[in-house]
Amino acid sequence: DTGVSQDPRHKITKRGQNVTFRCDPISEHNRLYWYRQTLGQGPEFLTYFQNEAQLEKSRLLSDRFSAERPKGSFSTLEIQRTEQGDSAMYLCASSTGGVEQFFGPGTRLTVL
Amino acid sequence: DAKTTQPTSMDCAEGRAANLPCNHSTISGNEYVYWYRQIHSQGPQYIIHGLKNNETNEMASLIITEDRKSSTLILPHATLRDTAVYYCIVRVGTSGTYKYIFGTGTRLKVLA
Repeated sequence: DTGVSQDPRHKITKRGQNVTFRCDPISEHNRLYWYRQTLGQGPEFLTYFQNEAQLEKSRLLSDRFSAERPKGSFSTLEIQRTEQGDSAMYLCASSTGGVEQFFGPGTRLTVL
Repeated sequence: DAKTTQPTSMDCAEGRAANLPCNHSTISGNEYVYWYRQIHSQGPQYIIHGLKNNETNEMASLIITEDRKSSTLILPHATLRDTAVYYCIVRVGTSGTYKYIFGTGTRLKVLA
C-alpha cells in the first residue's frame, strides 16, 4: 500500500464550471477527512466520513460543495459553479481512528 | 477558529537543535496537542502528539507546560531535510469524531 492518493493533482477551471476530486484512502482505513488549504494558511477541516456515513460538515462547506464516500472506500468532493475564492489545495486524509491521520498529496485547484 | 499561535518563521543551523514554540492557551483538558510538518507540495506528515506528559519518538521531542497552555517541539539535530512548515494542532472532538484544528504554522529553514 502506497498511502493516500488523490486525483487529479492539479486542476485549472473557469469560474462557473463544476469540478470533482477523488481521494483513495489507505485500505482498511474507515475514517476519511477532507481539508482545504489556502496559500500561507494551515489546512481547514471541511468534512469527515466514517465508512460511508458523512458525520460532520464544516460551515465552510457551502451548498455548492458535496462529498460522498460510496461503499466506504474512495471519496469524491464536488464543487459546483466554482468561484475564484475556491482556489486552494484540497487535502484528503484517512485514519483508523487511532493516533494519526495520513494525508494525501492534495489537489491544487485554480479557478480563473 | 484557530486554537494555536506560532511564530511565522524561524531559522536553525544544521546540526543544532530546533525549538519550535506553540501557544494553545484555550485548550481543554481532554484535547491533545499534535505536531505535523508539511514539505512543499506534499501533504502534512505526522511528527508527534501528547496530552500532559512530555513525549519523545525517533523524530522529535514534545515538551508541554504543566498548565498545558503552551508546548515546544524539539528537533534535536536539525538537517536540511527538516526545512518545512511545522503545524501545532489541537485535536478536538470525542472518540470517533476527532478533527484537527490547524494553526498557521512556523516556516523552519535549516541553514547549512
